[in-house]
Amino acid sequence: QSVLTQPPSVSAARGQKVTISCSGSSSNIGNNYVSWYRQVPGTAPALLIYDNDDRPSGIPDRFSGSKSGASATLGITGLQTGDEADYYCGTWDSSLSAWVFGGGTRLTVL
Amino acid sequence: EVQLVQSGAEVKKPGESLRISCKGSGYNFNIHWIGWVRQVPGKGLEWMGGVYPGDSQTAYNPSIQGQFTISAVKYLSSAYLQWSSLKASDTAIYYCARRGRNGFDSWGQGSLVTVSS
Repeated sequence: QSVLTQPPSVSAARGQKVTISCSGSSSNIGNNYVSWYRQVPGTAPALLIYDNDDRPSGIPDRFSGSKSGASATLGITGLQTGDEADYYCGTWDSSLSAWVFGGGTRLTVL
Repeated sequence: EVQLVQSGAEVKKPGESLRISCKGSGYNFNIHWIGWVRQVPGKGLEWMGGVYPGDSQTAYNPSIQGQFTISAVKYLSSAYLQWSSLKASDTAIYYCARRGRNGFDSWGQGSLVTVSS
């Protein structure tokens, strides 16, 4: 059981928008920055969002991040089949003194 | 270009020792934390700990501390994860990742460790 809670799966049609939630507490999301990662099965994770809502260079603006209180959300617009992957949120947990990840969300593009 | 290149897949027996490596290039290796992340096939990501190569300071996940050791040799631009006595439950893919600004911004390709009798 992960410290950060994500839905196991989400799906949406190609071209549509999807959001993935990440719920935590005051010891992690509530007081620390959130990052998001995409992992295509069989490959290493890659950074999508850092500092709650910033995108590394090369990540298109179809991807967005937000945070409110102890929850964070990843949004993806204009879904493409290539967006099918597992998505993970992550942050520092001040009580655990550990970096924590959500359990991951499998995105299916219909 | 920032790159982290990890050592190859390993097959070991329970009780054996192992050290896997992660070599950084394309940036000042000494000034970024390197984290190690475990992923059991088909499961999620788990942060094991990290090392700051500049002074070899380490940090471990308290929930799993004591089962492995993390280290770095800065003049080799390399970080290491080692076990003195492997268990079957150590079977996983291990990733090293550079800790950038509030996130892990570069990842190694992963090292698959299989522990089986």
